[in-house]
This record gives sequence, structure tokens and C-alpha cells, in this order.
Amino acid sequence: EPEVTQTPSHQVTQMGQEVILRCVPISNHLYFYWYRQILGQKVEFLVSFYNNEISEKSEIFDDQFSVERPDGSNFTLKIRSTKLEDSAMYFCASSEGPGWEKLFFGSGTQLSVL
Amino acid sequence: SQKIEQNSEALNIQEGKTATLTCNYTNYSPAYLQWYRQDPGRGPVFLLLIRENEKEKRKERLKVTFDTTLKQSLFHITASQPADSATYLCASYGGSQGNLIFGKGTKLSVKP
Repeated sequence: EPEVTQTPSHQVTQMGQEVILRCVPISNHLYFYWYRQILGQKVEFLVSFYNNEISEKSEIFDDQFSVERPDGSNFTLKIRSTKLEDSAMYFCASSEGPGWEKLFFGSGTQLSVL
Repeated sequence: SQKIEQNSEALNIQEGKTATLTCNYTNYSPAYLQWYRQDPGRGPVFLLLIRENEKEKRKERLKVTFDTTLKQSLFHITASQPADSATYLCASYGGSQGNLIFGKGTKLSVKP
């Protein structure tokens, strides 16, 4: 079965540094998402992306964050000037149709900001 | 604001029994609800989607109901097994945002 692939599985960074989290969505999917989950808390929506632009973003997704689809297969989340509170599991997801369709999630990138 | 709530953080049951998990929504009327399973350190995995005009949906040992009067969905696992132990997440459209929002989840533990 096709799956969403995320790299790296773990990322440790120093506060203030920039990180890029990478995702390869399922090939025929058109909608892409980033979610995050702080330890012990709920899965929170960050941003959705369709047709090479952001379609929705949450209050969490401020100027510190950006997303990009640099080529036909990758989808990236960049976090500039990381803060301690950015430590979380970041999940990429994709779907064939818009947000009400079932989402396919990757295994996540555990980001630790020291 | 729109909310999806799963009020039980944890549920412990004996193998073979039926597990029933509850999801409530407030301040909006979603056209559908979804249920996902999440294992530790893994991403959520889609299980079932039920629309507002569907009272009940089944898939193998899983059953989901949708009561628009009570603003509630129930998720049942019949003949539960230790392998069913996981966190189960309820999710729906985030109202005006239009993207999937999740409840906090209920951690199910099935004891042999």
C-alpha cells in the first residue's frame, strides 16, 4: 500500500537554528498537510497546501513557519529560529480530495529543540 | 469555536469485551466524523468515516454511530483483542477552517 514518507525520523537542534522537515506524499494525492503533536497533547493542524499554494493555516503557523513543494514529489516544512516550545512530533499527511477526505499520515519527525 | 471532545482519556477493558468510545462536538454541525487509530510514536491511521445522514457504519469488528441530536459519535470495537490497544482519535472538519481537527483521543488498553 502506498505511504507517506517523512525524513528524518528524529531531529535535534539548538534553539534559534533553522530546521527543514521533509515529506514525500502519496504520488496521486493533491492535498498536503502538516500537523504537529506535542507530547501528551492532541494532534494539531498547522497548514494545508493545494495547487502549489497554502489553502489554510492555523494560528500556530506564523511567520516562523513556511512550506514548499520544491519538486513534483517533496513537500517540506521549514521552521526558522526554533524555540523550545517547537519541540513536538511533526506529521505530514496527504489526501486525494479536500479536507473532509481521509488523510494518510507519515510516521512523523520528532523534533527536539535544546 | 468548533470543538471535538473525547472526554475519556483512558479505557481499560478485558479481552473479548466490547469497547465503546465517545466523541462529542460543540458549536457546529459537522457533515461527517472520522475515526483514526494512533500507536505510540506513529502517525494516525484512518479507520472509518461516517456522514451525518448515516446513523451507523461497520467495518469488520468496528462500528461507528453518529447522533446529530446528541452531537455525539460512538465508536465500538467488538470482541476486543490486546492488539486493539492504542489511542483512538475522533476527527472532523474544523468548521470555518475547513481542515481536519482532532480530539485528544482515548487510550484503549485491552487486557488478556
